Amino acid sequence: KNQVEQSPQSLIILEGKNCTLQCNYTVSPFSNLRWYKQDTGRGPVSLTIMTFSENTKSNGRYTATLDADTKQSSLHITASQLSDSASYICVVAYGQNFVFGPGTRLSVLP
Amino acid sequence: EPEVTQTPSHQVTQMGQEVILRCVPISNHLYFYWYRQILGQKVEFLVSFYNNEISEKSEIFDDQFSVERPDGSNFTLKIRSTKLEDSAMYFCASQAAGGPRETQYFGPGTRLLVL
Repeated sequence: KNQVEQSPQSLIILEGKNCTLQCNYTVSPFSNLRWYKQDTGRGPVSLTIMTFSENTKSNGRYTATLDADTKQSSLHITASQLSDSASYICVVAYGQNFVFGPGTRLSVLP
Repeated sequence: EPEVTQTPSHQVTQMGQEVILRCVPISNHLYFYWYRQILGQKVEFLVSFYNNEISEKSEIFDDQFSVERPDGSNFTLKIRSTKLEDSAMYFCASQAAGGPRETQYFGPGTRLLVL
């Protein structure tokens, strides 16, 4: 069954600190892996997109990694800001079908 | 900056009634999607649409659901006979092309409540 799992479920960090979120998937055939940021009650916003051949993709303070062999991805957030408080969702695509993970709820405290 | 818009922002309906959720994708985008998110749960893919046809659909997208692009700008999701379990936030998204590196842009969502 196509599934995406994320850990931790929630995370609290202090402003300015770094953090890393994890994603494991069993989706096949793999097309691409996406990380989204979702503020409460809003639509997801794309952070990074990686295909099979890409190991790392950065977008400002966000850096995603992909290990297609182990089917794992991570999202690293550097120098966190209060506005980073949101859910971070890992999504794996196959064709034009998309499997969403449950998200990691990040809270950044002053 | 272009954005995906959705109307209405909130909709309350009685069980068994038909609802139509509307979306205006970003101009010149060719791929369109509907997702739903039940309160407190993960986002779920419903359907993808390209060239006036459904490309993919999930198990959730049964005969009660339909999509169409009636006038070349709007993209609608119709639920024929709503059930209590259809209560959710429904997101529309659009993408310029079908490649694996194309960014998908989501709308703000329509919150549907079925009583």
